[in-house]
Amino acid sequence: AQTVTQSQPEMSVQEAETVTLSCTYDTSESDYYLFWYKQPPSRQMILVIRQEAYKQQNATENRFSVNFQKAAKSFSLKISDSQLGDAAMYFCAGGTSYGKLTFGQGTILTVHP
Amino acid sequence: DGGITQSPKYLFRKEGQNVTLSCEQNLNHDAMYWYRQDPGQGLRLIYYSQIVNDFQKGDIAEGYSVSREKKESFPLTVTSAQKNPTAFYLCASRPPSGGNQPQHFGDGTRLSIL
Repeated sequence: AQTVTQSQPEMSVQEAETVTLSCTYDTSESDYYLFWYKQPPSRQMILVIRQEAYKQQNATENRFSVNFQKAAKSFSLKISDSQLGDAAMYFCAGGTSYGKLTFGQGTILTVHP
Repeated sequence: DGGITQSPKYLFRKEGQNVTLSCEQNLNHDAMYWYRQDPGQGLRLIYYSQIVNDFQKGDIAEGYSVSREKKESFPLTVTSAQKNPTAFYLCASRPPSGGNQPQHFGDGTRLSIL
């Protein structure tokens, strides 16, 4: 079984600044994967970044990067040079090798101009 | 363009009525999933299917049913046994090649009680 916890219901950031969203997880699986999804007001779910648990190197996608601390079971998302279009609900999710995803409760990110 | 199509976008259910939400994908994905999202909450798994003619219950399957007769289609029926069906429903699919492949999502169906 997996649990995913996002302890920050809301976060805010000034445009062009950096913000970090927190996520912790717990799993009994040895083979698992971690994802961050973005849900803008349109309600569409958009993949932001993914991390394979067996990889030690933190994943990076342009302005988005993760800090994956396997021993601490932590998977935070850092957004650099924040833009107005980054405003959305962000979900952390854990997945198994057969594809089931468990989602956290989400963090609403507000970007101030 | 390949993608996942959910219909209708909005659906209203009367008391005691069953309603069916459609999910069609042309991505040639084997696995398909149904999630429920309540306001301000994360997604919870209702049912999933790894292959045609096979499906498994997720975390909140009570009051729902599914079928998987074709690879492209995974309809969800919200039965009258589901006493609190008002929510946003998302369908997803995933390529077969490993757990690191992300799920692709449709645009969702919002279901409300009349």
